[in-house]
Amino acid sequence: GAGVSQTPSNKVTEKGKYVELRCDPISGHTALYWYRQSLGQGPEFLIYFQGTGAADDSGLPNDRFFAVRPEGSVSTLKIQRTERGDSAVYLCASSDRTGSPGANVLTFGAGSRLTVL
Amino acid sequence: DAKTTQPPSMDCAEGRAANLPCNHSTISGNEYVYWYRQIHSQGPQYIIHGLKNNETNEMASLIITEDRKSSTLILPHATLRDTAVYYCIVRARSNDYKLSFGAGTTVTVRA
Repeated sequence: GAGVSQTPSNKVTEKGKYVELRCDPISGHTALYWYRQSLGQGPEFLIYFQGTGAADDSGLPNDRFFAVRPEGSVSTLKIQRTERGDSAVYLCASSDRTGSPGANVLTFGAGSRLTVL
Repeated sequence: DAKTTQPPSMDCAEGRAANLPCNHSTISGNEYVYWYRQIHSQGPQYIIHGLKNNETNEMASLIITEDRKSSTLILPHATLRDTAVYYCIVRARSNDYKLSFGAGTTVTVRA
């Protein structure tokens, strides 16, 4: 596609529920990233995929958070037993990791706003 | 990655150049300076990056001091659509997938 697509754009859920957030990266981009942005703060890194595998998941806050990318394109971020503190905008980005050194440019989607009541 | 320091906010008149400063005094030789911006309700957008030399593209110019301890992003003719939060990020080539966003500079372009 022309850009990174994220669905849903808004999700309201109740504390304790399970949530899935989907990311469709730019076609052909091998690298995919999830970030989380709380109100008034900059985005924070969660996880990075190179192909199908998670190359770095050091940013996931705890084991309630999990992400998959089974075919190396679409990715799903899964949150179990949601808590009010999980409320944030979840951003997905992709890149092709080519080009000149240091030129790993990330293209972000508009994000999925999660509200946990 | 090296830490960056940016002013929290600045105003700019429409049609004038906007000069956004960034300090990164602990930058090391293999670290690049990146600029992203985030318009309200959108994801961050890449603007420009550089290592040592000044860089220019269709969006902006990046001026990096000779000692590399600071840089300035220049928007040559600011428009109302340039109102956004601007993030200066220093990133090592070996760690090029993990952007560390600070609070950024909120730039408001006024008519």
